[in-house]
Amino acid sequence: DAKTTQPNSMESNEEEPVHLPCNHSTISGTDYIHWYRQLPSQGPEYVIHGLTSNVNNRMASLAIAEDRKSSTLILHRATLRDAAVYYCILRDYNAGGTSYGKLTFGQGTILTVHP
Amino acid sequence: NAGVMQNPRHLVRRRGQEARLRCSPMKGHSHVYWYRQLPEEGLKFMVYLQKENIIDESGMPKERFSAEFPKEGPSILRIQQVVRGDSAAYFCASSPPHPNEKLFFGSGTQLSVL
Repeated sequence: DAKTTQPNSMESNEEEPVHLPCNHSTISGTDYIHWYRQLPSQGPEYVIHGLTSNVNNRMASLAIAEDRKSSTLILHRATLRDAAVYYCILRDYNAGGTSYGKLTFGQGTILTVHP
Repeated sequence: NAGVMQNPRHLVRRRGQEARLRCSPMKGHSHVYWYRQLPEEGLKFMVYLQKENIIDESGMPKERFSAEFPKEGPSILRIQQVVRGDSAAYFCASSPPHPNEKLFFGSGTQLSVL
């Protein structure tokens, strides 16, 4: 899997927007950009994913650069419950290989939300 | 629709004993993945299984660890002759067959080896 680079940590205040960056300069044409988060003492949780176009769902928005070498996860109004480790992961959907299924987690970004 | 169920939630073993971790995937999911998270470290892929088949075990230690996903019943991650270094949180995830479907993770099993 292609590698991603994320800041080790970020901080935000409650009710404010949060922009979590991710660099993936070696992304290939068959890589989807996935975001997961892991709350303390829990398993990871899917947040959002996309290929080329920006994506929105009830949890967050994903902004993907035109050259796809970077992306940003946007939490529109952070809450205390959003404090977690956020992982940006490239997932190859090329069904011809055996590795397409797994996710390879990096270190992620630790998001701290202040009241 | 119940989520991915892992049991036990906590497992304590003495060195040399066997640990068996169970994972029941979500209904309709035929793919199961096991991950390990050592204290203060990230999630490491261990093995990817489909019903009755191991697809990718590139992250599994060569000795003492095995995994299965039988036609009936939960997926089992088995660790023989546990050592203190096996103490970690073990997470299971499941997904539908399509390769780009998201993974659903369980709450994990915390294994402590005394």
